[in-house]
This record gives sequence, C-alpha cells and structure tokens, in this order.
Amino acid sequence: EIVLTQSPGTLSLSPGERASLSCRASQNIITRYLVWYQQKLGQAPRLLMSSASRRATGIPDRFSGSGSGTDFTLTISRLEPEDFAVYYCQQYVTSPPTFGQGTKVEIE
Amino acid sequence: QVQLVQSGAEVKKSGASVKVSCKASGYTFTSYGISWVRQAPGQGLEWMGWISTYNGHSNSAQKVQGRVTMTTDTATSTAYMDLRDLTSDDTAVYYCARDVAVSGAGGYYFDYWGQGTLVTVSS
Repeated sequence: EIVLTQSPGTLSLSPGERASLSCRASQNIITRYLVWYQQKLGQAPRLLMSSASRRATGIPDRFSGSGSGTDFTLTISRLEPEDFAVYYCQQYVTSPPTFGQGTKVEIE
Repeated sequence: QVQLVQSGAEVKKSGASVKVSCKASGYTFTSYGISWVRQAPGQGLEWMGWISTYNGHSNSAQKVQGRVTMTTDTATSTAYMDLRDLTSDDTAVYYCARDVAVSGAGGYYFDYWGQGTLVTVSS
C-alpha cells in the first residue's frame, strides 16, 4: 500500500500568514489521484481538493494544491481564523485508499 | 442537500459486537458506494472498508478483515457496519463517507461524511 508522509506535524502561524503543507508518497502518483481534507476539532473531515489541485465546491480560492509524482503541497495563501485545523492528504490511485498522518495548523 | 446521518454513540465490552448505521439522503443512494473510516482518539484517519450500494459487493482493510461486515438497505438508503470481537484498539469515532470513484483509479475519495459515531470499548 502507498504510505503518505505529511510534514510538518504542526505549523504555528498567525492569521494572515501563508501556510505550506507537504505530503510525500512512497510511490509515484502519476495520475495525481490525491485529495486534501480539513478537519476541525470534533467534526468530520471536509473535502478541500481533489486531483491534487481541483478545489471542491465552496472552497475559497485562498486554498490551492500543487505537486506531482511523489511530492504534493497544500497552500493557504492568507490564513483566516477558521483555517486553523488539521489537514490530511489521501491517495486514491490504488486500493486501499490511505491517509497521511495529518498536519495541525495552529495559532502562534 | 446530501446528508449522511449516523447512529448514536455506543459503549461495548471487549468481545462484543457493534453495529453502526448511516442513513443517506439528498441523492440517489445506489449511485455511490459507501466507505467506513475510523479515527482513534487523537489519531489520524484509517479506511476500514467499502460497499457498493448498487450490488452489495464489499471489500475491507486487512486489519479488520474477518471481523467487519458491511451491508446496505436500499429501501431506506441506509448503510450498516458491523464490527465483531471488539477490543480496546477498536475505540474510535467511526465515519461513513460517500465514495467518489474515478475512472482509472484503483481507490476512491470521499466527498460527504457522516457526523461520526463514537464507539468506546471497555474491558
């Protein structure tokens, strides 16, 4: 199965700052079949991005995704108070679908 | 609007079974598969298995294979996940999620999620 490694584990930033979250895959995801989710405390995950860079419905354009092969990035251009949460990447190129361990974006 | 509404929290003894339900609305139930994903306290997300709501075919993660049964009731647009022989390692929030299958992909991702069901296993 494909292992996804996210870094950093925790990102401490202030509102208005830029956040860059990394997701590295153990195998080449040629097809860019990778998604990102946001999870707030006590809530279910919410789909942010599919195909590595396609924003889901209703997701603001301060969120962007990029990458290919084994290295993918989620960028939040200017952090809003509601963006402080845990972010997970997930691959769907092969079964079983696997998740990264998450990156927590916290207020500095 | 699409909604997945799960059954309430459960407390079980080790060795018991638990059955979690997930009632879908706002879309044609048989047009999308349902996956089950769990999250242990303070931990990440773990995919448990998938069921086709169209024909009932399912597959599950190796870790829970042999202990999990996934079923659906198309008349009520409800999916069920039954987990047997519970241990403390099964204490988690269990989510159902609607699958998005992509042509050419071996897996799927999840566009709508239930609210989660906390299952606590005590000895």
